[in-house]
Amino acid sequence: AQSVTQLDSHVSVSEGTPVLLRCNYSSSYSPSLFWYVQHPNKGLQLLLKYTSAATLVKGINGFEAEFKKSETSFHLTKPSAHMSDAAEYFCVVSGPVNTGRRALTFGSGTRLQVQP
Amino acid sequence: EPEVTQTPSHQVTQMGQEVILRCVPISNHLYFYWYRQILGQKVEFLVSFYNNEISEKSEIFDDQFSVERPDGSNFTLKIRSTKLEDSAMYFCASSAGTKGDYGYTFGSGTRLTVV
Repeated sequence: AQSVTQLDSHVSVSEGTPVLLRCNYSSSYSPSLFWYVQHPNKGLQLLLKYTSAATLVKGINGFEAEFKKSETSFHLTKPSAHMSDAAEYFCVVSGPVNTGRRALTFGSGTRLQVQP
Repeated sequence: EPEVTQTPSHQVTQMGQEVILRCVPISNHLYFYWYRQILGQKVEFLVSFYNNEISEKSEIFDDQFSVERPDGSNFTLKIRSTKLEDSAMYFCASSAGTKGDYGYTFGSGTRLTVV
């Protein structure tokens, strides 16, 4: 079975400062990992995904994440926060690659607040 | 950019009533899913659907739930006899099913309120 732990339920940064949202995963196989963002009253939007290619993954809106197998981590970063980044962020792991299991397991979410 | 469309955006129903939540997945996608998010809790997997049958389901997806692809475009989730604890945001999603690629596209959700 796979699981995801988001280490911070709430992160607050000032506009223009770096963002770090932490995620650790547990999996008995090579996982696919994702970050999704949910703005208030909106759906889930894919920010980026890791599927066993490059370990540093670039996503939309300047976000990136690095897959570190030795640390079982997939932290999300952005060099400079913007007010529009305020949202809920979910770290997500999928079922084993190349099997029929495609169910996603979500972390509990990190609410990012951006102060002016 | 292709979208997954869900209707209605908000539905209120009385306990014990049947509800059908509707979704139009991306047209060339092969896998379809339903997830739910109870207020303040994690997003949870309900069911996946491929080749006109359920391919995977969670413990949550019991006999009161069913899914159907009644035509070439719609994908529905039916809750037979709603309970208060079914109140949640329900997300539909679809994926192309390309080998090794599990990228989903989610809809914007249907907020179901059971009173």
